[in-house]
Amino acid sequence: ETGVTQTPRHLVMGMTNKKSLKCEQHLGHNAMYWYKQSAKKPLELMFVYSLEERVENNSVPSRFSPECPNSSHLFLHLHTLQPEDSALYLCASSQPAGYGYTFGSGTRLTVV
Amino acid sequence: KQEVTQIPAALSVPEGENLVLNCSFTDSAIYNLQWFRQDPGKGLTSLLLIQSSQREQTSGRLNASLDKSSGRSTLYIAASQPGDSATYLCAVPPNFGNEKLTFGTGTRLTIIP
Repeated sequence: ETGVTQTPRHLVMGMTNKKSLKCEQHLGHNAMYWYKQSAKKPLELMFVYSLEERVENNSVPSRFSPECPNSSHLFLHLHTLQPEDSALYLCASSQPAGYGYTFGSGTRLTVV
Repeated sequence: KQEVTQIPAALSVPEGENLVLNCSFTDSAIYNLQWFRQDPGKGLTSLLLIQSSQREQTSGRLNASLDKSSGRSTLYIAASQPGDSATYLCAVPPNFGNEKLTFGTGTRLTIIP
């Protein structure tokens, strides 16, 4: 484990379902991120939270809803997803830039 | 806008060889550069972090160098092993205080036993 824990590791959901991805870090970092990685595509930044405030939303569809209740936990709430949303979703955390980023193992999401 | 390129996109070498992976970035105003490896379907594992004031970092068989003025970094892997097979990514934040990483395109490395 890297210090950033993501659950579940795998998720299969229907297009009408509602599910949530969870990310937890106890590294003392104060910034957390959601990235999406689709097959054969580069990593795409979805959301950035710094000190529990959202500072970046890269034009992500509203069917993805992030939540950061405290500096150690980050959620990604999913509803009415599309098959093209199937991807590996990665969570990361960092101190302010200069100290590097730590990534979780990811959640492999399949939308059917 | 920062752009990060990695060459080659894929590389296959026999076990035991030394190899070099390349990373180029267009904006030299970086605070640091980080190398990751990613196994298929898995998350990213941090390998080395080089601060802008440093020229290289070493960890075991890995050595990363940084030349800010020319916008280049290299990852040297000595005595390659089959377990080194993975995709290697370099990433840079543009400047201090900006949280957004820009990732390179990645090099998929295969070590042939």
